Amino acid sequence: GENVEQHPSTLSVQEGDSAVIKCTYSDSASNYFPWYKQELGKGPQLIIDIRSNVGEKKDQRIAVTLNKTAKHFSLHITETQPEDSAVYFCAASTSGTYKYIFGTGTRLKVLA
Amino acid sequence: EAGVAQSPRYKIIEKRQSVAFWCNPISGHATLYWYQQILGQGPKLLIQFQNNGVVDDSQLPKDRFSAERLKGVDSTLKIQPAKLEDSAVYLCASSLLAGGETQYFGPGTRLLVL
Repeated sequence: GENVEQHPSTLSVQEGDSAVIKCTYSDSASNYFPWYKQELGKGPQLIIDIRSNVGEKKDQRIAVTLNKTAKHFSLHITETQPEDSAVYFCAASTSGTYKYIFGTGTRLKVLA
Repeated sequence: EAGVAQSPRYKIIEKRQSVAFWCNPISGHATLYWYQQILGQGPKLLIQFQNNGVVDDSQLPKDRFSAERLKGVDSTLKIQPAKLEDSAVYLCASSLLAGGETQYFGPGTRLLVL
């Protein structure tokens, strides 16, 4: 079945630096890739997503890139701030099933 | 627009007891999902409803877990009897059937089985 690997599991950066989280998926039919941010005691919140017909998408300090050939996608956060500290999850989904397969999560710590 | 609502937020029970969780999705969302999130892991899908029909329950432990979505709106997830390994956060999410696949999550119910 579909599998999504996510790296690193933990990431510490200095405030103002950039952070990059990478995910690899196994099902070549996957065509929708959301990224969620989960703060302590809260449910996951969508921060950005990308579809397979697009190679890159940006929203202010957050960007996502997709390489369909290599079956991997990445989250880029620039000018990190302490409030970016949270657990980030990637997911992959196939059109028609609406089923998400989540990665194992990355705990991001932004040091002030 | 109101988000996905879940209750209770926390629940502590002893093993072999039963427990039920409730979810109210975003108005108009036809698809509803229940996920189990064990500490340190990503959410794992338990069951997916489209309106009031089950689309996928392949990972639901049916000997102890059950779920229903009467009238295609609210949903309840039940565990009976609970085991220690059921300790987790139970997340409910919803999405529009057509027009997109984005899932919106509720705050979750944190279950501790002693």
